[in-house]
Amino acid sequence: GAVVSQHPSRVICKSGTSVKIECRSLDFQATTMFWYRQFPKQSLMLMATSNEGSKATYEQGVEKDKFLINHASLTLSTLTVTSAHPEDSSFYICSAPPNRGYGYTFGSGTRLTVV
Amino acid sequence: GENVEQHPSTLSVQEGDSAVIKCTYSDSASNYFPWYKQELGKGPQLIIDIRSNVGEKKDQRIAVTLNKTAKHFSLHITETQPEDSAVYFCAAGGNEKLTFGTGTRLTIIP
Repeated sequence: GAVVSQHPSRVICKSGTSVKIECRSLDFQATTMFWYRQFPKQSLMLMATSNEGSKATYEQGVEKDKFLINHASLTLSTLTVTSAHPEDSSFYICSAPPNRGYGYTFGSGTRLTVV
Repeated sequence: GENVEQHPSTLSVQEGDSAVIKCTYSDSASNYFPWYKQELGKGPQLIIDIRSNVGEKKDQRIAVTLNKTAKHFSLHITETQPEDSAVYFCAAGGNEKLTFGTGTRLTIIP
């Protein structure tokens, strides 16, 4: 089946630093990747959609300059949280859209803690 | 845009009994309705999905029903087991993006 590999699974960083999260489609090409954020005991909220070869599309209220999204190739999408603050601490999850008859494929998530 | 409501937020059932979780959606253009199980610290895992051209789908102990007219769909888990305890999310959308419900924490009481 379709597999999306997400790294790192956990990261702790200091306030003011930047953190990069990677999602790779292992056995298929993904021209689009969805990035979600999930706060404790809450639902998944779509932050942005990355598109290979063009700019990402951000949802209303998401800061483009803070959450940098890059879709470098057909198998790699990255989310960089810049100048991280404690309120950015959350669970970040990527997802590729339906491919070859499979539904949406989710990464395993990244737990970001900003101290 | 799409708005998905999910009920109940928490559900406790005795092992062996059935559990039902319900969702409503707002966008009549949505044509794909998956259900996900999420365990602590992990990404969502697809357990069953249904498309708008089908009214019901079953996979062993799990079934999903869809009422397009009323814009609601439900997850049914029969013969519940302790390992069914998790948070369940419904979602609605298409090939563009998914909108998730608020989640249901299901607890199976041994």
